[in-house]
This record gives sequence, C-alpha cells and structure tokens, in this order.
Amino acid sequence: AQSVTQLGSHVSVSEGALVLLRCNYSSSVPPYLFWYVQYPNQGLQLLLKYTTGATLVKGINGFEAEFKKSETSFHLTKPSAHMSDAAEYFCAVSDPLGGGYNKLIFGAGTRLAVHP
Amino acid sequence: GAGVSQSPSNKVTEKGKDVELRCDPISGHTALYWYRQSLGQGLEFLIYFQGNSAPDKSGLPSDRFSAERTGGSVSTLTIQRTQQEDSAVYLCASSLISARNEKLFFGSGTQLSVL
Repeated sequence: AQSVTQLGSHVSVSEGALVLLRCNYSSSVPPYLFWYVQYPNQGLQLLLKYTTGATLVKGINGFEAEFKKSETSFHLTKPSAHMSDAAEYFCAVSDPLGGGYNKLIFGAGTRLAVHP
Repeated sequence: GAGVSQSPSNKVTEKGKDVELRCDPISGHTALYWYRQSLGQGLEFLIYFQGNSAPDKSGLPSDRFSAERTGGSVSTLTIQRTQQEDSAVYLCASSLISARNEKLFFGSGTQLSVL
C-alpha cells in the first residue's frame, strides 16, 4: 500500500530563514508526488508536483522540492521564509492503484510557523 | 464560478440526525472528489465522480455515507444518523480531467460538528 510520512507535525522558523519540510513516501511504482498548502479557513492549493522528468521541481511562492528516488523522499524547501508562509503543508502521492485518476494519499501535514 | 464552492461552511447537528453537504465544482471540471479532514486521521479520500461513470465509493467509511452528483455538476454528500466520530471538515475538490498527475482544486470545506 502507498503511504506518505511527514516528519514533524510542527516546524517553526524565523523570518528569512531556510524552510525545510520533510516528506517520505512508499510506492510500488514510480510515484506522482504533490505538495499542497492550506492557509487558515481556506481550501488546499497546489504548490508543486513531480510526475516525470527533472527531479527538482519549482512551485509557487518560491518553494521547490526535489524527488530523490534512492531516499524515497520529496522534501519541500524555500530559501527565505516570509510571514505569509505560515500555513499547513501536506505532501501527497497519487495512488497508482486508484483507477487512473488522481486519488491522493496524504501525509498527516506539517504546520509551519514563521516568527519575526 | 471562480472556484469550488461548498455549503454550508459550518454545520452543527445532533447525534442521530441526517445532514447534507453541497459542493459546486469549477465549471467545466469533469472530475469531483470528496475528502474528509479530521484530527488524528488526516485527509482521507471518500468518493470520486467522473462524468457518467460509476463513482469510486471505496473510501466511504460506512453505509451511512452516500453521495450523488447530478447532471455532472453539483454534488451532495449525505450522512445519515450522524455520530460524534463524523465530526470533521469535509472537503470537495474538482479537476479538469481524470489523470493521475492532474491538479485538484479544493473548496474551503464544511466544518461538521456532531453534538
């Protein structure tokens, strides 16, 4: 079965510091991987996704993630945190047994706090 | 509309009552999904609709849960005889097409509280 593990339910960084949110997955086939962000009282928004091709993926708001097959990881980074980055971040994998559509399996989420 | 719309945004009900949650997907999106977000369980897939095809109901937790999608657009998730463990945020999402790499657009959810 596919699964996603996000290390750290809460991460706190200073404004301007590096953001690193960790995600590991298990998948029996080459995975399709996603990062979604949820701001308070809003729905989830896609930050970035990896399907095929270049393993370093750039997304919105300065975020990027690198697919590392050997480590089964898809960690999310941003060089310099802004206060507006405070939100909950979800890593997800598309279930290859999901019937050909994007049946997402989510990690438990990481809540990012940014302090001045 | 501009985005996925869900109503009501908040619903408080008594144990044993039935509730209906509504989702209006983005116009033109053929695929529609329901997820549940609860403390301790994270985000769980509930059901998926695509056009006139039979829905994938594999995520529905019990037979008290059902959903329909009328005319390939609006969807209603119904929970009968609600229990306290049904308390959660119910999220609806839609996508333009059905593909494993397709971007999902999520609504803001319905916060359901069962007293």
